[in-house]
Amino acid sequence: GNSVTQMEGPVTLSEEAFLTINCTYTATGYPSLFWYVQYPGEGLQLLLKATKADDKGSNKGFEATYRKETTSFHLEKGSVQVSDSAVYFCALSGDSNYQLIWGAGTKLIIKP
Amino acid sequence: NAGVMQNPRHLVRRRGQEARLRCSPMKGHSHVYWYRQLPEEGLKFMVYLQKENIIDESGMPKERFSAEFPKEGPSILRIQQVVRGDSAAYFCASSQGQGAWEQYFGPGTRLTVT
Repeated sequence: GNSVTQMEGPVTLSEEAFLTINCTYTATGYPSLFWYVQYPGEGLQLLLKATKADDKGSNKGFEATYRKETTSFHLEKGSVQVSDSAVYFCALSGDSNYQLIWGAGTKLIIKP
Repeated sequence: NAGVMQNPRHLVRRRGQEARLRCSPMKGHSHVYWYRQLPEEGLKFMVYLQKENIIDESGMPKERFSAEFPKEGPSILRIQQVVRGDSAAYFCASSQGQGAWEQYFGPGTRLTVT
């Protein structure tokens, strides 16, 4: 069945560092891929998405490219800020249009 | 426009008690989804409801768990006779349409069974 694997956290970086959070997936067919972010005390928010191979999703300085050949959707940001501290979840659409299959989440801590 | 509301945010129950988790969807949203996150794991889909109908409950445990989304009022996830293994974060999402990318999530309810 479909599954998502994310790098374990926590990931601790200094402000203005380059960020990569790895996400790989296993899926039949052609799922859509998502990154969600959860700030402390809040609900999950959709950060970005990609619906087909080679698509690049981007938002708030974050980017991720749908790589079918490596079954990956790594999240990157060129220069992180303290306000980016949160838990990041990679997810893909399941067999049905509405089901989401989730990674375990990666906690990101940015130090000033 | 208020977001998806869930309450309580934290719930403590002793083994054998009942837990009721509430979810108020965003205004204008008629689709509600419940997910469970066990410690150190990703979210797992439980159930998808529209007003007064259960559309897909393939992720719900067969016993002790039930969900409803009445014509009026919030969606309720009910867990009877809770056990320690039910301790988890329960997230609700709502959407206007059926696409996965359209789901807006609440802050979750953290259930602890002692």
